Amino acid sequence: AQTVTQSQPEMSVQEAETVTLSCTYDTSESNYYLFWYKQPPSRQMILVIRQEAYKQQNATENRFSVNFQKAAKSFSLKISDSQLGDTAMYFCAFFDRGSTLGRLYFGRGTQLTVWP
Amino acid sequence: DAGVIQSPRHEVTEMGQEVTLRCKPISGHDYLFWYRQTMMRGLELLIYFNNNVPIDDSGMPEDRFSAKMPNASFSTLKIQPSEPRDSAVYFCASSSSLDSKPNYGYTFGSGTRLTVV
Repeated sequence: AQTVTQSQPEMSVQEAETVTLSCTYDTSESNYYLFWYKQPPSRQMILVIRQEAYKQQNATENRFSVNFQKAAKSFSLKISDSQLGDTAMYFCAFFDRGSTLGRLYFGRGTQLTVWP
Repeated sequence: DAGVIQSPRHEVTEMGQEVTLRCKPISGHDYLFWYRQTMMRGLELLIYFNNNVPIDDSGMPEDRFSAKMPNASFSTLKIQPSEPRDSAVYFCASSSSLDSKPNYGYTFGSGTRLTVV
């Protein structure tokens, strides 16, 4: 089974600053996707950003970007210009594109608090 | 599309009662997943379906839990009898194996917060 590890249960950052959330994963596969999901207090799970393993270029979505280190099996999320609305639980997830199982593997999550 | 629709949004029930959670996936999605979220255990995959067929139910905690998907547009998760330790948020999610690579991802419902007293 694939494993996804988020070693930071909680983090905090001041508004307008930059914060990086860490994620590592364990797999022997080469064709996979990685995701970051956001869960605000409303509890809705929202897809923030995705990365395809075969792409060397790091994915970006506005203020959100990733640092994908395939050899190190590391996939961190950087949030620039943090906003109060970024306060949420963030989940890293892994998907084996070559598997017929079709399921995502999630980390335990990092609770991010953005303070004024 | 209205997204993945779950009902009810909140459910409070007494221990021993039967609870049924409902999910309508996105039309055209062929995978459906049931997750349970608690502070202690995080997100746990309970069971998932592909084309209405259960693929993996190894995450279902006990025989008290059962899930069905009678057709492509509806699934239920039933707990009978319910216990206080079943209190959690239950999510349904769906996805499509046909999504092109750049668009792949789960779409989650808003979840059902279950409280068993």
